[in-house]
Formats: sequence, structure tokens, C-alpha cells
Amino acid sequence: DAGVTQSPTHLIKTRGQQVTLRCSPKSGHDTVSWYQQALGQGPQFIFQYYEEEERQRGNFPDRFSGHQFPNYSSELNVNALLLGDSALYLCASSWGTGRDTEAFFGQGTRLTVV
Amino acid sequence: SQQGEEDPQALSIQEGENATMNCSYKTSINNLQWYRQNSGRGLVHLILIRSNEREKHSGRLRVTLDTSKKSSSLLITASRAADTASYFCAFQGGSEKLVFGKGTKLTVNP
Repeated sequence: DAGVTQSPTHLIKTRGQQVTLRCSPKSGHDTVSWYQQALGQGPQFIFQYYEEEERQRGNFPDRFSGHQFPNYSSELNVNALLLGDSALYLCASSWGTGRDTEAFFGQGTRLTVV
Repeated sequence: SQQGEEDPQALSIQEGENATMNCSYKTSINNLQWYRQNSGRGLVHLILIRSNEREKHSGRLRVTLDTSKKSSSLLITASRAADTASYFCAFQGGSEKLVFGKGTKLTVNP
């Protein structure tokens, strides 16, 4: 049983460019959340997708957008990249949207903006 | 800030010793979870404790929760070199998102 898979594992982009990160949830999971983790910090919630809709959003600008597909996989898009967007981007999947749900995380995508 | 806070920020112990990490938060919560992260990669879920629970065990892990003090602790007994990692607490409050602390970096020396 494959867990949460993210691609690519590493990415280098130039300031001002756009980037798309991808996530496939764990089998049987229908909810995907994205987190940004800066170096030396804990992960920060970006947004959550369920039934192809953005259910909840953290304190991130509109440059960060996402999408969930009918097969529950998800994309995170970041436009007009800034140096400060350099971070590890983590995808987490879970089943349903209730509280007390265990989230399974992927290995992350390391984004470097130069 | 809603963010959880772990204490200490870094901990270095010898193999076989116990490691205790603490987490404090400021809001009411539905549950508190502990995660492990190796070398800045993915997070591994360790344990979830609900707000109406006071203690939970899983193998060599023991988690306590004191909602009156808004704090939790993670105890790893008989530590091994393979336990070397960063440990994060995260809570779910009024919403489903996980709010993480900054983590405790644990080093277990062989």
C-alpha cells in the first residue's frame, strides 16, 4: 500500500517564476492538506481540499493556490515566486474531514527559489 | 499566536536514557498529536491524544496531556540512536488544520 507520494522531491526556481507541486494521497484517503515548512520551523498550514473544494485556508497570500482532482490527488501552485517561498512543502492526506483524524504525510518537495 | 511551543529546543542524551519533550499551547484543543521528522523530510505520526484523555502509551512512547495547564509531554523510554530526529507537537483546535510547534531536536548518542 503506497503512502502519500509527492513529486518532485527537489526543485530549483528563479524568483518571479511559477511552480506546481503534486501529491497523491494514501489509498482510501479523500482529503489533502498542504503545509509549508521553513528551515528550522514547524510546518505551517496552507490549505485543505476535500471533494475538489478548498475547505480551509491558512494565512497565505493568493499567490498560493491549489486543486484537487476526482481521484483525490492534488496540486499546489505558487505564482510570482519570492526568495522567502524557499521551503519544504508537505502534503498530508486523511480520510474525511472530521476532527481527531490521523494525517499521513509525504516526504515533501524541497523548493529553492534563487 | 496559536502556535504550539516545544521545550527544550534541543536535547542530547546517551543511548538507553529516557527523553522527555514538552509542548505548551494557548487555545482550547480537540486533540494533540506528536510527529517525528528525520533529516528535514516527511513527518511520521507517533500518537494522538484526545482532549478528554490524560495519558496514552504506544510501545516505548508515553504521552500525557494536561488541559488545565495547556501542556503535553512526550516520553521516549530506553532511547536508541535511531530515535535521533526532530519531534513536533501539533494540535487541532476549532478547525481541522494541524497547528505545529517549532519542534525539539533530539540527538541520541551511541
